[in-house]
Amino acid sequence: DAGVIQSPRHEVTEMGQEVTLRCKPISGHNSLFWYRQTMMRGLELLIYFNNNVPIDDSGMPEDRFSAKMPNASFSTLKIQPSEPRDSAVYFCASSHSTGTDTQYFGPGTRLTVL
Amino acid sequence: GNSVTQMEGPVTLSEEAFLTINCTYTATGYPSLFWYVQYPGEGLQLLLKATKADDKGSNKGFEATYRKETTSFHLEKGSVQVSDSAVYFCALTSNTGKLIFGQGTTLQVKP
Repeated sequence: DAGVIQSPRHEVTEMGQEVTLRCKPISGHNSLFWYRQTMMRGLELLIYFNNNVPIDDSGMPEDRFSAKMPNASFSTLKIQPSEPRDSAVYFCASSHSTGTDTQYFGPGTRLTVL
Repeated sequence: GNSVTQMEGPVTLSEEAFLTINCTYTATGYPSLFWYVQYPGEGLQLLLKATKADDKGSNKGFEATYRKETTSFHLEKGSVQVSDSAVYFCALTSNTGKLIFGQGTTLQVKP
């Protein structure tokens, strides 16, 4: 199994630019999660999907952030426009279902907004 | 609401020392409990988990027991190695599927 795949692994962009992060969950997993990790705030859940439907987006910091899951094998997290305070590592995770199933994390995308 | 509290780090130990990282939780219902490990520059990996009271999760020499009476899930290892140096996260998930993480504890093992 390839595990959760994220791209790009590193992204450096300038303030105001649009950033798109991509995630491919483990095949057969029905739930997908986007997290953000910073030194100041630790790990934060941004949004999660079950069967491609957004279930809880209460962690999305503001309207500049949006996430989509057009099919079971692909999700995007978009930031438009980006700001320096968005600099963080963004993780995608997937699990077989919501509830108490184990979540498997991707390697993360390190975003730097200058 | 649900929350997880871990002992603050960093924890610095010599190789072959005994490790304990404390974790306590607050939750409604019957959560599952997890320990994840993050090695430098990598994503989080599941280390072990327990799904009900008195369950013991174990992996790679690490153990943790789900203690409902003390709402704790302390991580232990009898003899740490330099390769165990990482950040360890305690977490819980309820039936909503959301993982709630502790703040993480950095472990540094010196030869």
